[in-house]
Amino acid sequence: IAGITQAPTSQILAAGRRMTLRCTQDMRHNAMYWYRQDLGLGLRLIHYSNTAGTTGKGEVPDGYSVSRANTDDFPLTLASAVPSQTSVYFCASSASGNGNSPLHFGNGTRLTVT
Amino acid sequence: QKEVEQNSGPLSVPEGAIASLNCTYSDRVSQSFFWYRQYSGKSPELIMSIYSNGDKEDGRFTAQLNKASQYVSLLIRDSQPSDSATYLCAVNRIAGYALNFGKGTSLLVTP
Repeated sequence: IAGITQAPTSQILAAGRRMTLRCTQDMRHNAMYWYRQDLGLGLRLIHYSNTAGTTGKGEVPDGYSVSRANTDDFPLTLASAVPSQTSVYFCASSASGNGNSPLHFGNGTRLTVT
Repeated sequence: QKEVEQNSGPLSVPEGAIASLNCTYSDRVSQSFFWYRQYSGKSPELIMSIYSNGDKEDGRFTAQLNKASQYVSLLIRDSQPSDSATYLCAVNRIAGYALNFGKGTSLLVTP
């Protein structure tokens, strides 16, 4: 079934540890995104990539990094996790990065930083 | 000013009624508008997209767009308990990439 696969589904992480959230899509979409969703704050954009080889910062990029080595994969790395990064993380993709294409979401990663 | 505003609800409607969900946005040049449904503990799923002023119908769902008033709405006819979820309004970002999301409206359809 075509779509977006995120891993892990959930994770408990000690503060200060490094963690990479994985995201793979098989729809050959050009653009990919990472959002975090927190109660009362909604979905907030962390980083985005309009095409393989390029990335950009969203509204809450601090403490996170991304790479886009190919079309399909868009991992999100927390270099040194802090409790405020406890959240549900959604990877998404769209056919184009111009804002006119709908986003398709993965199932999310629930991350708890202790 | 928040870019995409929605009433958080909860909006409670009886089964079979019409549910009306509203959204306002701040960027007058926005061109693309989307409605997503999110069940508790699940990811957002696309319901409707709308790009032009007026109404767009898809089954029991109708999206309405008024760019002059910077207002987009979603009507759900013949509401069912399975429609109980949070509905997210999304608008393309000023910079042209990704989408800005509202915080969502919680809908409860009571049998």
